[in-house]
Amino acid sequence: KNQVEQSPQSLIILEGKNCTLQCNYTVSPFSNLRWYKQDTGRGPVSLTIMTFSENTKSNGRYTATLDADTKQSSLHITASQLSDSASYICVVTSNTGGFKTIFGAGTRLFVKA
Amino acid sequence: EAGVAQSPRYKIIEKRQSVAFWCNPISGHATLYWYQQILGQGPKLLIQFQNNGVVDDSQLPKDRFSAERLKGVDSTLKIQPAKLEDSAVYLCASSPGLAGITGELFFGEGSRLTVL
Repeated sequence: KNQVEQSPQSLIILEGKNCTLQCNYTVSPFSNLRWYKQDTGRGPVSLTIMTFSENTKSNGRYTATLDADTKQSSLHITASQLSDSASYICVVTSNTGGFKTIFGAGTRLFVKA
Repeated sequence: EAGVAQSPRYKIIEKRQSVAFWCNPISGHATLYWYQQILGQGPKLLIQFQNNGVVDDSQLPKDRFSAERLKGVDSTLKIQPAKLEDSAVYLCASSPGLAGITGELFFGEGSRLTVL
């Protein structure tokens, strides 16, 4: 069964600290993996996309990694800011003849001053 | 470039009443999706359109939910009659090209439904 599991469920960190969010998936065949940021009361917005051959992708203070062998991805946030408080959703697209997109439940990040 | 537009942003109804949500995707995007997001969970696909044809509606509760995308542009999602468990945010998304080949979805801000 195609699944995307994220951990931790929620996380509280102090402003300026780094953090890493985890995503494990069992989706096959794999097409790509995206991390989305969802601010409270808003729709998700894409941060990064990674295909099978990519190991690392950065977008400012956000760095995503992908290990296609172990089917794991991580999102590392450097020097966190209050505006990073949001849900981060890992989304894997499967190429099954038509493209299916499977969402994780998200990690809720709280950045405190 | 204008984003995905949704309305209304908020709706409160009593159970057994009906409600309709509207979505206008990004201009030129062929694929339109409706997702249901319950508090604390990731979005769950309800229905996916490719132009004005349905690609996937396997998780749409068809006894109470219906959706249409006439003329292949904007779309309406209807719930009739509503149940308490329908309380959620209904997200509309669109993507360019064939069935989201790049995987990127562009979301609207959502319509928050509360069923009392």
